[in-house]
Parts: sequence; structure tokens; C-alpha cells
Amino acid sequence: DGGITQSPKYLFRKEGQNVTLSCEQNLNHDAMYWYRQDPGQGLRLIYYSQIVNDFQKGDIAEGYSVSREKKESFPLTVTSAQKNPTAFYLCASSPQGGSNQPQHFGDGTRLSIL
Amino acid sequence: DAKTTQPTSMDCAEGRAANLPCNHSTISGNEYVYWYRQIHSQGPQYIIHGLKNNETNEMASLIITEDRKSSTLILPHATLRDTAVYYCIVSRLTTSGTYKYIFGTGTRLKVLA
Repeated sequence: DGGITQSPKYLFRKEGQNVTLSCEQNLNHDAMYWYRQDPGQGLRLIYYSQIVNDFQKGDIAEGYSVSREKKESFPLTVTSAQKNPTAFYLCASSPQGGSNQPQHFGDGTRLSIL
Repeated sequence: DAKTTQPTSMDCAEGRAANLPCNHSTISGNEYVYWYRQIHSQGPQYIIHGLKNNETNEMASLIITEDRKSSTLILPHATLRDTAVYYCIVSRLTTSGTYKYIFGTGTRLKVLA
């Protein structure tokens, strides 16, 4: 079955530590996205990528970094500069970023601070 | 950024139609309206989208007012499995040529037996 796989489902971070969240898709989609969701809130865009080796900052990029070395993979690193990283992180993809087609979401990674 | 406003919560009796309203009064002419739903601790699930015409698919209907400042998602025969948070989203084309979703805070729909 085609879809988006996020791992791990739960992740714990110590103070001052960088952690990387994995997102893999086998839908052959060009565009990929990372969102953050806080309790009782909608999703906010962190980073997005239209194509391999290219990505842009979203609305809340500070304290995060990404890479897009392969079409199917878009990992997100939560750096120590992100002072409030506890949240639910969702990855999404769409066929082409520039065409108005629905985004498909993974089932998320819940990050907590130890 | 165009924002959406939705009721915080709604109840609906099982088997009845659920009508979920959304205001997007600052929407621009080329911005689409999307609806997704999210069950606790899962990723959002796509339901339907439209620009200015009413739309229908196997899950729901989307009614957009003529001035495009508001819309209504209709689940024709709600079941217990439709209990979820429903998000009304505006999709905006960015300067980099990618469509970006702008989420509201959603409506928590509870379907009652």
C-alpha cells in the first residue's frame, strides 16, 4: 500500500540534544511538508520542499532544519535551539507543490522533553 | 494570511446530516477551501475541496457561498465513526510556487448514538 511512514511514533529528547524525525513516502510525490501541532490547535507549517535538493521555510522554521536528498525522504531535525519542542509532528506529501492537489499525511511523531 | 473560523464543537445524532460551518472572509480569489478530519493521534484525512462551485464526493458535500466568504461541510448520514476534529483550511499559493495550507483550530464533532 502506498503511503507516508513516520518514525518513531514517540520520541523523547533531553535538554540540549538534537533529534531527527523520519518521513518516508512511496507515493512518488514531488512535494513534502512538515507541520507542528500543539494541543487543541491546528497544524502550523515548519518547512516544505517542492523538489529534491530544494526546500523553503514555513511559518515556524526557527529551531528546525531539514534536508531533501531523495525524493521519497524528508527528515526533520529538531535542534537544541527550539526551546519548546514538545508537540505532535506531522509529515505530508502531495503530487506537485505547484498544483492544487490534496496533501496526504502520515500518522505523526509525538516528541516530548525528558 | 487568510484565516478560517469554525465553531469549537458540535453534536449530531447518528443517521442525521452533520452541517459544519466555516468562515473565511479574507479568502482571495485563487485560494481553495479544503476540509480534513483528524481522529486523535492520527494524521489528518482528506475529505473534500473546492474553489467556488459546490462539490460532492462519496464522503461529503461542500457548499461554498457565492461571495466565497464562508462554506459548509455536509456529512449526509453521520455515523459514530465520523466523530473527529474537522478542519477547514485555506490553500494559498506561495511565492515559491507551492500551495500552503492555513489551518484553523477546527470543530470537534461528536456523533451521538
